Amino acid sequence: QVQLQESGPGLVQPSETLSLTCTVSNGSMNNYYWNWIRQPPGKGLEWIGYVFYSGGTNYNPSLKSRVSISGDTSKNQISLNLSSVTAADTAVYYCVREDLMVATGWFDSWGPGILVTVSS
Amino acid sequence: EIVLTQSPATLSLSPGDAATLSCRASQSVYNYIAWYQQKPGQAPRLLIYDASKRATGIPDRFSGSGSGTDFSLTISSLEPEDFAVYYCQQRTDWPPLFGPGTKVENK
Repeated sequence: QVQLQESGPGLVQPSETLSLTCTVSNGSMNNYYWNWIRQPPGKGLEWIGYVFYSGGTNYNPSLKSRVSISGDTSKNQISLNLSSVTAADTAVYYCVREDLMVATGWFDSWGPGILVTVSS
Repeated sequence: EIVLTQSPATLSLSPGDAATLSCRASQSVYNYIAWYQQKPGQAPRLLIYDASKRATGIPDRFSGSGSGTDFSLTISSLEPEDFAVYYCQQRTDWPPLFGPGTKVENK
């Protein structure tokens, strides 16, 4: 069963860039969409965007001007960069696989998440 | 943008009770609805997709129904591990959007 693990700084300064990495193990990145979804403390889920294994991307229009997602199939890693962060970007960030085999188009595998706090 | 409304916000039940959770879309999403379960401190887990299909490994006490704008998740007999927050999600409209969630709490 595929496993996802997010990593990166737990604290980011306001106006700086939030950078996270997701490492995929027990599986390949090929033929899947790889998403980032976030959840502010005590609140609901917000889709950030995805990268396809071949490199195509798509982002939430509400974040598009600040977000960049990339993938490296040789390292089995997905990266998230979110620029000009504010306290509103404080959230648990999840790396999520979008299934294209069985539950096509749905988020079937999630990392445990990483809490990122934006504060000086 | 399609808006998802979930009701009730909180459901207070006991183990062994049946639970019915509702998800309503502001316009038709056909059958493109999924349900996720989230326990405290954990990531969400896919339960139901395409409105009524159980994801791999999900017990058959969980079932989904509906089409168009009205959907339901039913838990036939609550187990202690089922007390959690449940989210619906649509992928008909862009971007993918989650509902606000229903908390099923132990009475």
